[in-house]
Amino acid sequence: DIQMTQSPSALSASVGDRVTISCRASQNIDKWLAWYQQKPGKAPKLLIYFASRLETGVPSRFSGSGSGTEFTLTINSLQPDDFATYFCQEYDGDLYTFGPGTKVQIK
Amino acid sequence: EVQLSESGGGLVQPGGSLRLSCAASGFTFSSYSMTWVRQAPGKGLEWVSTISGGGVNIHYADSVKGRFTVSRDNSETTVFLHMRSLRADDTAVYYCAKDSGGMLDYWGQGTRVTV
Repeated sequence: DIQMTQSPSALSASVGDRVTISCRASQNIDKWLAWYQQKPGKAPKLLIYFASRLETGVPSRFSGSGSGTEFTLTINSLQPDDFATYFCQEYDGDLYTFGPGTKVQIK
Repeated sequence: EVQLSESGGGLVQPGGSLRLSCAASGFTFSSYSMTWVRQAPGKGLEWVSTISGGGVNIHYADSVKGRFTVSRDNSETTVFLHMRSLRADDTAVYYCAKDSGGMLDYWGQGTRVTV
């Protein structure tokens, strides 16, 4: 099974900051990676798919990069609405695995 | 507009059974796989099961294999998750999601299961 890790597990940032979250797969998943945002009590929301493709309607301050085993989610100019938990998910095969999440908190 | 609405959650005794439903609308239901994901209190997301559009290809996480059964009724645009032999560690919010080749592009609001 593929294992996913994320770093950091939590971070504190200010409005306007640039934030970078890393996700690592235990084996090569090409670009079969998605990123989700989740706010407390709400369902996750798809942000990025195929590692770097922005889902329709998602602000352009969100971007994804990477391939193989190393991936990054970047939020440029963090906005108040962006304080949430972010999960990566691999979908390289028939079984999916989520990363443990990164909580982005207000500094 | 794509809409997904889960129901059927509740409080159940260990060893008991429950059937979750997810009613879908706003897309060609039979053309898409559907996936169940759960989230234990205060924890991360865990993939549970995926069923293909025609219901032929089905996959389960090891943690639920042999206890949970996923099915779908394309005429009713509904996907089900039959859960039996429930354990305390099955306690979670269960989400259904529209599966577009592995990316989960629409999610329901979730239904809470407490064992």
